[in-house]
Amino acid sequence: DSGVTQTPKHLITATGQRVTLRCSPRSGDLSVYWYQQSLDQGLQFLIQYYNGEERAKGNILERFSAQQFPDLHSELNLSSLELGDSALYFCASSPSGPRTDTQYFGPGTRLTVL
Amino acid sequence: AQTVTQSQPEMSVQEAETVTLSCTYDTSESDYYLFWYKQPPSRQMILVIRQEAYKQQNATENRFSVNFQKAAKSFSLKISDSQLGDAAMYFCAYRSFSGGYQKVTFGTGTKLQVIP
Repeated sequence: DSGVTQTPKHLITATGQRVTLRCSPRSGDLSVYWYQQSLDQGLQFLIQYYNGEERAKGNILERFSAQQFPDLHSELNLSSLELGDSALYFCASSPSGPRTDTQYFGPGTRLTVL
Repeated sequence: AQTVTQSQPEMSVQEAETVTLSCTYDTSESDYYLFWYKQPPSRQMILVIRQEAYKQQNATENRFSVNFQKAAKSFSLKISDSQLGDAAMYFCAYRSFSGGYQKVTFGTGTKLQVIP
């Protein structure tokens, strides 16, 4: 158990809908990262937040947005869902400080878009 | 942009034998970390080993070790005395600190099969 929690574990929805994925980082970790892993693919970095502020952006679609709240939990919002958005979405957190190395991954949320 | 290449989609090894997984990367930066993550069928991402680019000594964690060749931009993972529990997808990852931000790039993975 990495200490990172993600809810829900599974999510099934229809095209065009909007969903919210939630992540709680390890206690004390200020950085949160979101990744997308499509079937049998590697992880695509989406976005990073540090203490409530966006720090880095990867291949995140305009239909996707994220935020980190004062209690440090983060939410990833996916809208106008398409079939291709079906994937495993991981959240990871890392220890405090602008320069940290190890990311601890949550168990992921499996999103299925029908 | 940084890229990470894992040229072996699948590998197999006999139990108790040694296997090496390859990873190459492309970067113009000098300050970065490299990682190997394991993803078993449970899909959990588990850190196996990490290497800091400024350290010449190869990292070792029990049965796992790396061969880090900075000039060649190569970062291979050696698993000794392979066990059935080592069967998983293995991802190589690169993290830079360019501009104070952490950007992470993952390879496409190598699926390791361990044969009893």
